[in-house]
Amino acid sequence: KAGVTQTPRYLIKTRGQQVTLSCSPISGHRSVSWYQQTPGQGLQFLFEYFSETQRNKGNFPGRFSGRQFSNSRSEMNVSTLELGDSALYLCASSLVSAVNTQYFGPGTRLTVL
Amino acid sequence: GQQVMQIPQYQHVQEGEDFTTYCNSSTTLSNIQWYKQRPGGHPVFLIQLVKSGEVKKQKRLTFQFGEAKKNSSLHITATQTTDVGTYFCAGVRDTGNQFYFGTGTSLTVIP
Repeated sequence: KAGVTQTPRYLIKTRGQQVTLSCSPISGHRSVSWYQQTPGQGLQFLFEYFSETQRNKGNFPGRFSGRQFSNSRSEMNVSTLELGDSALYLCASSLVSAVNTQYFGPGTRLTVL
Repeated sequence: GQQVMQIPQYQHVQEGEDFTTYCNSSTTLSNIQWYKQRPGGHPVFLIQLVKSGEVKKQKRLTFQFGEAKKNSSLHITATQTTDVGTYFCAGVRDTGNQFYFGTGTSLTVIP
């Protein structure tokens, strides 16, 4: 089976812009979770989607949003980018729940200038 | 705040030495998973522990889940350069349904 794919792999934006990141889970996986990874904060949970519904949400501002499509592919959007949003954004898929084994994608490296 | 703490944050060892990282939670966990992230890579699942006091081994790696299900450890015997990376624990609270990742331990192995 193909692994989790994320596009784009690298992105450079400026403050105030918005960005959309995409994640395609492993075939058959219905749960998709998003994480933000920074050197100072480690891996922080953003949200989890299952069957096109947000099932869990971490402690991030409303500028961070996401959605899931009927084929389980997911997107996350960050509006009004801030310098502090520079990070590696990781998507992870699992069969039915984020508490099952998670399979991570390669991540999208976002740099905000 | 951080739900799961890991120590140490960094560890440098000579190749052949042993290495241990500890994971501590302020609340009881229903299960705990361990992941390894190589430099420039993404986290890769290693193992899951569910039972109180559980011990699992994978070749030179030994994983333990505490009796109170609030802590866990990963021990690597006779480290090799291929062990380099950051090791994360991730726990699920008894009442929760999301993972809380630990702060990670970055392991450097000096040849």
